[in-house]
Amino acid sequence: DTGVSQDPRHKITKRGQNVTFRCDPISEHNRLYWYRQTLGQGPEFLTYFQNEAQLEKSRLLSDRFSAERPKGSFSTLEIQRTEQGDSAMYLCASTSHLLGNTEAFFGQGTRLTVV
Amino acid sequence: GIQVEQSPPDLILQEGANSTLRCNFSDSVNNLQWFHQNPWGQLINLFYIPSGTKQNGRLSATTVATERYSLLYISSSQTTDSGVYFCAVEKQTGANNLFFGTGTRLTVIP
Repeated sequence: DTGVSQDPRHKITKRGQNVTFRCDPISEHNRLYWYRQTLGQGPEFLTYFQNEAQLEKSRLLSDRFSAERPKGSFSTLEIQRTEQGDSAMYLCASTSHLLGNTEAFFGQGTRLTVV
Repeated sequence: GIQVEQSPPDLILQEGANSTLRCNFSDSVNNLQWFHQNPWGQLINLFYIPSGTKQNGRLSATTVATERYSLLYISSSQTTDSGVYFCAVEKQTGANNLFFGTGTRLTVIP
């Protein structure tokens, strides 16, 4: 068990470009979450998957954002036509939700800078 | 959602001092976690503590779910304890995600 892994760690992109981030959860975890954190704030929920099904989306997730978890394992988060306001840390977390234990474990995050 | 308030927002301590961080929340919860965010941004799990008391070395935490608060105690603080401490909760009904407070920024000076 190597923990939650995110790639890339850092991404600098020009406004208007598309970017894609990847998250590999802890292997036996069935739930995967995406959060966004801006400077000085706590992380805010974006969306989550149970296995391959996307069960909930925050209103923060505009139509430029899309997330997938095609085989119930890794997930991708894509941002189209990036804007400067998308600059943030994007965090992925996973949980098992078995036996009543819902402890979440986070990856190292992807820091996005839109210039 | 659910409101999560942490206090104090900032704390400066001399190395060796003790501190107490507080987290108040506005609704019943299934899950409460304390995290330490390191300078590189990763959230390190400190405690999973929906209720009761736990200890791990110099750190301990207590959650009183019926009164909707949790406390994180740091004893004999070290410079490596510096960083931002977050409390996060999962509502008992409805949303399945964590709601975070705005954190307590701790600075431990030698």
